[in-house]
Amino acid sequence: EVQLLDSGGGLVQPGGSLRVSCAASGFHFITYAMSWVRQAPGRGLEWVSAISVNSGSSTYYADSVKGRFTISRDNSKNTLFLQMHSLRVEDTAVYYCVTDRGGYFDHWGRGALVTVSS
Amino acid sequence: EIVLTQSPGTLSLSPGERATLSCRASQSVSSRYLAWYQRKPGQAPRLLIFGASLRATGIPDRFSGSGSGTDFTLTISRLEPEDFAEYYCQQYGSSPWTFGQGTKVEIK
Repeated sequence: EVQLLDSGGGLVQPGGSLRVSCAASGFHFITYAMSWVRQAPGRGLEWVSAISVNSGSSTYYADSVKGRFTISRDNSKNTLFLQMHSLRVEDTAVYYCVTDRGGYFDHWGRGALVTVSS
Repeated sequence: EIVLTQSPGTLSLSPGERATLSCRASQSVSSRYLAWYQRKPGQAPRLLIFGASLRATGIPDRFSGSGSGTDFTLTISRLEPEDFAEYYCQQYGSSPWTFGQGTKVEIK
């Protein structure tokens, strides 16, 4: 059974940094592209970032986070990361780790809540 | 970016009725790269349909997707109690991938 366990959310001040993680199991992690999708309170779903299979040599970002967020993967630990810097109030959201099947997402984590507030 | 507009915002129906949800794109979605998700309170979204009309693994055949270009439809042939939820469309034909704002299917 595919499982994605998001963790690392929390409260951070504007301008601060935070890293969310996703522990994957039940599938061959290295062969899957992965993405992060977020949902801010009262707002819709927003794709945030994607990383390619294997070494993750290709990464992609939404314009809203480009230059501030970095996606990475550790295949030896079946873990996906999203490092977030220069956080803004508008980055407050639940962040979901998802398996990326070429742009659509067939498995979702339970989400990690990131709150950016002073 | 492609903007997806879902209608109606809320659909009030009874169990056993047919639900028809619409998703309209601001530009043509290439190669029918359109997905639908179901979301229940407190849960992560679940993939229902990809490629506009292909059911994901384990999805009952009462769920069907259709459409192309800028107009897509999710149909639930006969609503079961567990189908009352929110539904989102998403396009992945043009970066950035974008989602619609959702349609809530509620019990009448």
